[in-house]
Amino acid sequence: EAGVTQFPSHSVIEKGQTVTLRCDPISGHDNLYWYRRVMGKEIKFLLHFVKESKQDESGMPNNRFLAERTGGTYSTLKVQPAELEDSGVYFCASSQDVGDLSRGYTFGSGTRLTVV
Amino acid sequence: SQKIEQNSEALNIQEGKTATLTCNYTNYSPAYLQWYRQDPGRGPVFLLLIRENEKEKRKERLKVTFDTTLKQSLFHITAAQPADSATYLCALPPSGGSYIPTFGRGTSLIVHP
Repeated sequence: EAGVTQFPSHSVIEKGQTVTLRCDPISGHDNLYWYRRVMGKEIKFLLHFVKESKQDESGMPNNRFLAERTGGTYSTLKVQPAELEDSGVYFCASSQDVGDLSRGYTFGSGTRLTVV
Repeated sequence: SQKIEQNSEALNIQEGKTATLTCNYTNYSPAYLQWYRQDPGRGPVFLLLIRENEKEKRKERLKVTFDTTLKQSLFHITAAQPADSATYLCALPPSGGSYIPTFGRGTSLIVHP
């Protein structure tokens, strides 16, 4: 099966600009997660979708971040306007069942965002 | 608040030896603990799950232990190979009932031929 796909793999933007990251989860996975790793820190949870609904967005840093998952398939994460501290690697993951821990989550390769 | 601690220093070992990585946690009692592997430029890849009522779990050359008294998990790779070189992350659910894992910073393992 195809894995989790993220696009773009890299993005360099200027402070104040807008960037949209995309994630295509594994087909049939209702659960989609966004995580972020900033330099030198751990991977941190941002939010969780079940199909098209936001189940938990407790990790979203502020209202400059907007995540959507229209139709319950792919998801986008928009940062507007971008700030320097938004730089990092944004990971998307998916799973069939949030409670099925024995298979873990399948992660994409991430989008490396650099705000200059 | 909860804290997950993994050794930030890289672990260097010779091929064929056993690598042992440590994950310590504080301030709560997680229902499970997972280990992931991450290669440069890639996302984490799930390896193993161990639940709070399990002391040990094995998968091929991997072994994980979970000591809820010490609040510690040990991750062992026996007969390590250069291809095992990667960063290994432990992940636990946050306190408060969510299933969604919180990650440690990871420990880099380097296996020398």
